Amino acid sequence: DIQMTQSPSSLSASVGDRVTITCRASQSISTYLNWYQQKPGKAPKLLIYAASSLQSGVPSRFSGSGSGTDFTLTISNLQPEDFATYYCQQSYSTSPITFGQGTRLEIK
Amino acid sequence: QVQLQESGPGLVKPSQTLSLTCTVSGGSISSGDYYWSWIRQPPGKGLEWIGYIYYSGSTHYSMSLKSRVTISVDTSKKQFSLNVSSVTAADTALYYCARLNRAMVRYYFDYWGQGTLVTVSS
Repeated sequence: DIQMTQSPSSLSASVGDRVTITCRASQSISTYLNWYQQKPGKAPKLLIYAASSLQSGVPSRFSGSGSGTDFTLTISNLQPEDFATYYCQQSYSTSPITFGQGTRLEIK
Repeated sequence: QVQLQESGPGLVKPSQTLSLTCTVSGGSISSGDYYWSWIRQPPGKGLEWIGYIYYSGSTHYSMSLKSRVTISVDTSKKQFSLNVSSVTAADTALYYCARLNRAMVRYYFDYWGQGTLVTVSS
């Protein structure tokens, strides 16, 4: 199985900040990497697919980059509604599909 | 707008079978562009992929659950279902159904149900 490791597990930031979350795969996955946002009590929401493609309707302050084993999700100009938990997910192997353990973004 | 809605019992006794159904609206369940998936999230923990089914009935399951899991599809009702047998407290989780979009062979979950909490307890 392909293991996905996110860092940090949690971070604190302020409104207006720029934050970066990292996801590392246990083997090369090309750009088969997706990012999701989950707010408490809600289902995850797709933000980025194929490492850097912004899902329709997602604000442009969200961006993704990377290929191979190392990927980043960057949120520029943090807004109050961005405080949530973020997950990466690999689809290089579709059986099993695996997620990172999540990164909790909290208000400083 | 595609919508998915989970339904089923919120409480299951240990050793029994957990059964959930996901109803799809606003789109076709028979499109070749999608797989129909189940994902779960234990309270306070991360996301765990359970498995998915194609409209034709072909399935893929997590190896850790494969011996206990069955996913089926009823295209006429636009529903797919999850059965997990011999449940224990470790199966207590929020269960989500989701659409796995296989566009351009990229495979991402673009639509999710709201989730349903299943508690395993006597």
